[in-house]
Amino acid sequence: EVQLVESGGGLVQPEGSLRLSCAASGFTLSSYAMTWVRQAPGKGLEWLAYTSSSGRTTYYADSVRGRFTVSRDNAKNSVYLQMNSLRVEDTAVYFCARDGEVSSDYWGQGTLVTVAS
Amino acid sequence: IVLTQSPATLSLSLGGRATLSCRASQSVSTYIAWYQQRPGQAPRLLIYDASTRATGVPARFSGSGSGTDFTLTISSLEPEDFAVYYCQQRFNWPSTFGPGTKVDV
Repeated sequence: EVQLVESGGGLVQPEGSLRLSCAASGFTLSSYAMTWVRQAPGKGLEWLAYTSSSGRTTYYADSVRGRFTVSRDNAKNSVYLQMNSLRVEDTAVYFCARDGEVSSDYWGQGTLVTVAS
Repeated sequence: IVLTQSPATLSLSLGGRATLSCRASQSVSTYIAWYQQRPGQAPRLLIYDASTRATGVPARFSGSGSGTDFTLTISSLEPEDFAVYYCQQRFNWPSTFGPGTKVDV
């Protein structure tokens, strides 16, 4: 069974940093690209970042480029999202998802990040 | 690429037919996916490549369209179908989601 479990969320002050993790199981992580998506409270989905199966290729949304970095360790079956210079508007539930060719077919349950002083 | 979804809210009855629209600001070929999100849950993939149902998705869900105009149809609404539906384009980077359509009773 494919499982994705996010962790690392919590309360952080503006301008602070946080590193999210996504633990993958039930499939061979090194064969799949992965994506991060977030959802602010009461709002819609916002695509954030993509990493290819090897990690050599990454893409970012304009809203986080230069502040967030996606990485992965296939040997540890994990994907990461390093978030720096956090803003109040980054408050959201953060999901990781497994990528197919043109969609994200499995999603984790998300981890909540709250940016507040 | 900006995706626009209409209507914002669709109020229907059990057994009713739901027609949801997603329009792209430029052609995305058929690189559109549809997701369902129930309250408090993660999104669930319904349709990819504009018209291909994902594994385990009931046949009452169907997708169509190409270029800039796409439609998700639910032929006969079941209680578990009342949710928010999002389209997503994967034609180019960055990928984007539409604002969603809420289907309620």
